[in-house]
Amino acid sequence: EIVLTQSPGTLSLSPGERATLSCRTSRSVSSSYLAWYQHKPGQAPRLLIYSASIRATGIPDRFSVSGSGADFTLTISRLEPEDFAVYYCQQYVRSPQTFGQGTKVEV
Amino acid sequence: EVQLVESGGGLVQPGGSLRLSCAASGFTFTNYWMTWVRQAPGKGLEWVANIKQDGSEKYYVDSVKGRFTISRDNAKRSLYLQMDSLRAEDTAVFYCARALSTSQYSPLTYWGQGILVTVSS
Repeated sequence: EIVLTQSPGTLSLSPGERATLSCRTSRSVSSSYLAWYQHKPGQAPRLLIYSASIRATGIPDRFSVSGSGADFTLTISRLEPEDFAVYYCQQYVRSPQTFGQGTKVEV
Repeated sequence: EVQLVESGGGLVQPGGSLRLSCAASGFTFTNYWMTWVRQAPGKGLEWVANIKQDGSEKYYVDSVKGRFTISRDNAKRSLYLQMDSLRAEDTAVFYCARALSTSQYSPLTYWGQGILVTVSS
């Protein structure tokens, strides 16, 4: 099983600030098989970015991903009020297609 | 419009069984791998199992192997999760999800709203 470790656990920021979230994998994963999701309480998770840096439909360009190998970063360039949520990375190259434990971005 | 609607959740005693269903609409069900993901209270997302378009391949997370069985009925456009020997730690909201593409190696783009399973005496 590929283990994904996200940091920090919680990120306390204000609207307009930049958020930098880390995802490290226990073995190298092609960036083509890494995705990021946003999850808000009471809602279904939402796919943000996949296959290295492809934004899903409707995802604004303030969301971007960088990294390779075993170290990936999701950056939200300027936080909007609707961006405060929990973010998960996921690898889908090998089953079980594991998620990280999540990073909560809070005000 | 793609819709995934879960049903079958509820309260069950430890050691008991429950069968979750997911009704799919708005897309060609037979084209996609389907997945179950869960979230325990206060915890993160956990990938549980997925199944190939024709049901010939199934994969599980270790913690549910031998206890949970994923299946699908393409004629009914439905996905199922049979959960046996349930434990307190299986308490979670269970989500049904569809892959973005027809490949096994695809992120999850459509999700149901989730169904709560509570395992408690």
